[in-house]
Amino acid sequence: GNSVTQMEGPVTLSEEAFLTINCTYTATGYPSLFWYVQYPGEGLQLLLKATKADDKGSNKGFEATYRKETTSFHLEKGSVQVSDSAVYFCALLRTSGTSYGKLTFGQGTILTVHP
Amino acid sequence: KAGVTQTPRYLIKTRGQQVTLSCSPISGHRSVSWYQQTPGQGLQFLFEYFSETQRNKGNFPGRFSGRQFSNSRSEMNVSTLELGDSALYLCATRVGPYSNQPQHFGDGTRLSIL
Repeated sequence: GNSVTQMEGPVTLSEEAFLTINCTYTATGYPSLFWYVQYPGEGLQLLLKATKADDKGSNKGFEATYRKETTSFHLEKGSVQVSDSAVYFCALLRTSGTSYGKLTFGQGTILTVHP
Repeated sequence: KAGVTQTPRYLIKTRGQQVTLSCSPISGHRSVSWYQQTPGQGLQFLFEYFSETQRNKGNFPGRFSGRQFSNSRSEMNVSTLELGDSALYLCATRVGPYSNQPQHFGDGTRLSIL
């Protein structure tokens, strides 16, 4: 079946530090990959997406590259801010088969950024 | 453009009761999915509706059901509530099911079972 594995959290960084949150996946075919962010008391917001191998998604300084050879979609940001403190979810969307349309999520990584 | 609207935001119920949650999609979005979020199990897929038909279903008991109306609004019902049903229930919408485009989420309904 499909699965997503994220690095264990929580992650604590100082402002302006470099961020990496690892994400690997297992799926047949060619899923689409996403990063979502969840702030306290809110739903999930789409952060970035990639729909095919070697695509790079980017938004608000965050980047992730769809690596089919390593089945990975690691999230990076060069300089984090206090306002980036949130929970980050990696997710995959099957585009064929019986689980079509169902998002499969990783367990989430809590990021805390200190001034 | 208005986002996904879920009502109510908070609900408190007791065991054995039933509850109905509502989701209004972004204008033009016709596919609605529901997810359950708990600290222990994370985010789990409940079901997806399109054109008033359930297109996909997760591994939840029959107490969890849903429906979709002709205007694409969706409701989710949970009957005979159990303590373990306490969770954040999230609705996500997108244009259609046959797409690799992302789903957009509402802020959820926080359901607490006493």
